[in-house]
Amino acid sequence: KNQVEQSPQSLIILEGKNCTLQCNYTVSPFSNLRWYKQDTGRGPVSLTIMTFSENTKSNGRYTATLDADTKQSSLHITASQLSDSASYICVVTLSGGYNKLIFGAGTRLAVHP
Amino acid sequence: DAGVIQSPRHEVTEMGQEVTLRCKPISGHNSLFWYRQTMMRGLELLIYFNNNVPIDDSGMPEDRFSAKMPNASFSTLKIQPSEPRDSAVYFCASSFSEGGEQYFGPGTRLTVT
Repeated sequence: KNQVEQSPQSLIILEGKNCTLQCNYTVSPFSNLRWYKQDTGRGPVSLTIMTFSENTKSNGRYTATLDADTKQSSLHITASQLSDSASYICVVTLSGGYNKLIFGAGTRLAVHP
Repeated sequence: DAGVIQSPRHEVTEMGQEVTLRCKPISGHNSLFWYRQTMMRGLELLIYFNNNVPIDDSGMPEDRFSAKMPNASFSTLKIQPSEPRDSAVYFCASSFSEGGEQYFGPGTRLTVT
């Protein structure tokens, strides 16, 4: 079964600290993996996208890694800011057909001052 | 570009009433997706249109749900009759091409009492 699992479910950190979110997937065949940020009351916005041949991708203070062998990804946030408070969703694209997206449940991050 | 536009942003209705959600995709995008997001199940694909034609409606929960795309700039998702378990946030997303990056609208928060 094609699944995407994320951990932790929720996380609280202090402003300025770093954190790492985890994603494991069993989606096959795999096309690419995206991390989305979803602010409260808004739609998800793409942060990074990686194909199976890429093992790291950065977007400012956000760095995503991908290990296609172990089917694991992580999103590292450096020097967190209050505006980083959001849900982070790991999304794997199923290759073939119209490239359907398989969503994880998300990690809810709260950054406190 | 204004992005994906959804209306209404919030809808509160009584059980048994008809609900119509509306979406205007980004101009030039030929793929449109309707998703439902709940705390329990996360984001789920309801239906996918390509060039105004429904391609995958396997996610539509039951016959009470229907979706149309009469032209490239407008789509509706209708629930008739609505039930309390339909309460969720409904997102519309569009992409330039099949398999391309999806851009999400702000969502419609539906509450059925």
